[in-house]
Amino acid sequence: GEDVEQSLFLSVREGDSSVINCTYTDSSSTYLYWYKQEPGAGLQLLTYIFSNMDMKQDQRLTVLLNKKDKHLSLRIADTQTGDSAIYFCAERAFRDYKLSFGAGTTVTVRA
Amino acid sequence: NAGVTQTPKFQVLKTGQSMTLQCAQDMNHEYMSWYRQDPGMGLRLIHYSVGAGITDQGEVPNGYNVSRSTTEDFPLRLLSAAPSQTSVYFCASSYSQLAGGPDTQYFGPGTRLTVL
Repeated sequence: GEDVEQSLFLSVREGDSSVINCTYTDSSSTYLYWYKQEPGAGLQLLTYIFSNMDMKQDQRLTVLLNKKDKHLSLRIADTQTGDSAIYFCAERAFRDYKLSFGAGTTVTVRA
Repeated sequence: NAGVTQTPKFQVLKTGQSMTLQCAQDMNHEYMSWYRQDPGMGLRLIHYSVGAGITDQGEVPNGYNVSRSTTEDFPLRLLSAAPSQTSVYFCASSYSQLAGGPDTQYFGPGTRLTVL
């Protein structure tokens, strides 16, 4: 079965970089996702990476994938107060219906 | 497009009551699903549907029923509410999980349910 783990909390100073880490166990995972949840809202897809990629960059977001260690990270450059939220890592196997989510990392940005 | 809509936003029930959480999407998505979110546990899949007339169980289906009579709607029914069902419920949809692509899931705003 799938098991996705994340640290629960991260505190970062405004303007610094945030790095959120995730580990997964399913070797058949083909897509890995990062979702953002702001207070009182649903989940919003931030970015995703296909399993044959090592890195993906999208403006302030950088995703790194280490398939050997089954480790995924999300780096947010120049973190802003609007980046305060819960960030979920999720995985999906090829042609599978189900997304498996981690518990979520609560990111707090302090001035 | 309105995207994925959910009603109600908040609900308080007494133990043993039944109710239906509504979910609708206007994106002609084949795949729809229900998750529950509990602190420290992420999102857990309750039921899902790959098209009208087809539903299946997820990770935590007990105490919940679903049906999919149309492409647009996917209601979740609580048969006899229990305090353990106090949670935030999210509905999500995507075009097709079998297409082989990233197939982004779009989430509704959630229903916050309290069972006393």
